[in-house]
Amino acid sequence: AQSVTQLGSHVSVSEGALVLLRCNYSSSVPPYLFWYVQYPNQGLQLLLKYTTGATLVKGINGFEAEFKKSETSFHLTKPSAHMSDAAEYFCAVSAPGGSYIPTFGRGTSLIVHP
Amino acid sequence: DAGVTQSPTHLIKTRGQQVTLRCSPKSGHDTVSWYQQALGQGPQFIFQYYEEEERQRGNFPDRFSGHQFPNYSSELNVNALLLGDSALYLCASSLGRQTEAFFGQGTRLTVV
Repeated sequence: AQSVTQLGSHVSVSEGALVLLRCNYSSSVPPYLFWYVQYPNQGLQLLLKYTTGATLVKGINGFEAEFKKSETSFHLTKPSAHMSDAAEYFCAVSAPGGSYIPTFGRGTSLIVHP
Repeated sequence: DAGVTQSPTHLIKTRGQQVTLRCSPKSGHDTVSWYQQALGQGPQFIFQYYEEEERQRGNFPDRFSGHQFPNYSSELNVNALLLGDSALYLCASSLGRQTEAFFGQGTRLTVV
């Protein structure tokens, strides 16, 4: 079974500051890892994913995440926050060889101050 | 190209009633998954349909059932509604069962 822990239900940053959203996973097999974003009253949009290969993954809107096996982490970062980044962010894990059905964390709300 | 579309967008039902939610997958997709997202929580997997059959199921009671039609669209049915069924219900579609899924905007169900 897989699980995800997102540290911090709310993260507040100033516009232009570094964004860091934390995610730790638990998996009995090498995982597939995902970050999704959800804007108010919207569905989920995939930001980026790690399956195999390069551990630093670049996604849309300037976001990136690094898979660190030794730390069982997959933290999401963006060098400079924009007001439009304010949203709910979900980390998710799935098992390779399965049906890509992710197990989601509880989410982190990113608040961006002007 | 229309993405995943869900209907209705909002719904209010009374305890004990039954509800049907609908999903049309993204063009070219043949697999549909349903998720329940309670307020302040991440989405929870309900079940997945492929080739008109339920292929995988999450930890949800039998009150939750579904169907997939030959055109790949899908329905989620919930019987004997409880207050705790109030949530955003998300549909996701993919091509095959091992590819990235695209999500619809969801149906907000309120049970009173």
